[in-house]
Amino acid sequence: AQSVTQPDIHITVSEGASLELRCNYSYGATPYLFWYVQSPGQGLQLLLKYFSGDTLVQGIKGFEAEFKRSQSSFNLRKPSVHWSDAAEYFCAVGVAGGSYIPTFGRGTSLIVHP
Amino acid sequence: DTAVSQTPKYLVTQMGNDKSIKCEQNLGHDTMYWYKQDSKKFLKIMFSYNNKELIINETVPNRFSPKSPDKAHLNLHINSLELGDSAVYFCASSLRQGAGEQFFGPGTRLTVL
Repeated sequence: AQSVTQPDIHITVSEGASLELRCNYSYGATPYLFWYVQSPGQGLQLLLKYFSGDTLVQGIKGFEAEFKRSQSSFNLRKPSVHWSDAAEYFCAVGVAGGSYIPTFGRGTSLIVHP
Repeated sequence: DTAVSQTPKYLVTQMGNDKSIKCEQNLGHDTMYWYKQDSKKFLKIMFSYNNKELIINETVPNRFSPKSPDKAHLNLHINSLELGDSAVYFCASSLRQGAGEQFFGPGTRLTVL
């Protein structure tokens, strides 16, 4: 079965600083990979996804992520963080077909200082 | 237009009561899900339905019973509520099984007193 690890429970950055949120997965084949964002009191919204092809994926709100098979990682990045980016970020991994249900990481809480 | 909607948004009730949460999606998706998010933000899959048929039923107490009257609706009924049921419950949908991206509802915060 697939699994996903987000090693950082909290990340604090200053507004305007760059950001990298870590995600490591465990799966035997090429997985489907996702990053979702959950703003306070809201549901989850998809930021970006990787299924195949170019390993650098662009998403909404200026986010990008890079799939590195050798490191089993799919880290999320943003060059300049805005105060409105403060939220909970979830990495998820899934497999193609079948009774596919993605597995979510425990989330990373992003705190943005002015 | 709300893609995935849930009602109610907040639900406060006493232990032992029975309550329902409703979910509707207007995306034309085939697959719907219920997740439970605990106080530490951990998301746990509870159920998944595909075209009104149950396909995933994780280890959930049988006090929880999902019902899908049609593929646009997936309701969650909870009997004999317990303190530990307090959480945020999210409904989600995807185009089909194995389709990848999920669309989430806004959540229902259930508080059991």
